[in-house]
Amino acid sequence: QKEVEQDPGPLSVPEGAIVSLNCTYSNSAFQYFMWYRQYSRKGPELLMYTYSSGNKEDGRFTAQVDKSSKYISLFIRDSQPSDSATYLCAMSRGSYIPTFGRGTSLIVHP
Amino acid sequence: GAVVSQHPSRVICKSGTSVKIECRSLDFQATTMFWYRQFPKQSLMLMATSNEGSKATYEQGVEKDKFLINHASLTLSTLTVTSAHPEDSSFYICSALGALGAENTEAFFGQGTRLTVV
Repeated sequence: QKEVEQDPGPLSVPEGAIVSLNCTYSNSAFQYFMWYRQYSRKGPELLMYTYSSGNKEDGRFTAQVDKSSKYISLFIRDSQPSDSATYLCAMSRGSYIPTFGRGTSLIVHP
Repeated sequence: GAVVSQHPSRVICKSGTSVKIECRSLDFQATTMFWYRQFPKQSLMLMATSNEGSKATYEQGVEKDKFLINHASLTLSTLTVTSAHPEDSSFYICSALGALGAENTEAFFGQGTRLTVV
């Protein structure tokens, strides 16, 4: 079993839809949870990070962490075609190398 | 946010030649940098951890004599793919650790290098 599991998709949604992206993990020592967005042939860029459990909101993006279930989510409201990208979850125990999921490909069509 | 610059963004080379990829942290000092390889529709595969002033730590299965890493300063790490072969064609990405908060560090990524070996 991989430490971080993420469905690769692709996930195809119409413009304006609410998108839900998820990851599960097995290492209970993870404390920091991050979401990266990667456009085709570009390096990943950090979208959001969350410490421990709870929610964090930034504009159209909301990150949720449920440590009891070892499950994290990223919600995108009012999705736009420009949101089409691969979204990678990552998690770490602090000052350690982040462990990445394989990424979910999101396609938002007009 | 912090900026990591990676160069070149794209390179095509002949089989048997060597290619050097540079990774620079532009506005912060990075004692630790990472090199990843990414195949199409796959996640980032960590190749090695590069620490300034010391030898790189390679992940299992990564040939250290083929993928030479040098981290000579706090802002520059280089990856040299030696005697490249077509199977080395891939997307290579570097990242540098910077402070995200009081206790956590964030990985800032370069733009990636698309290597094609013909």
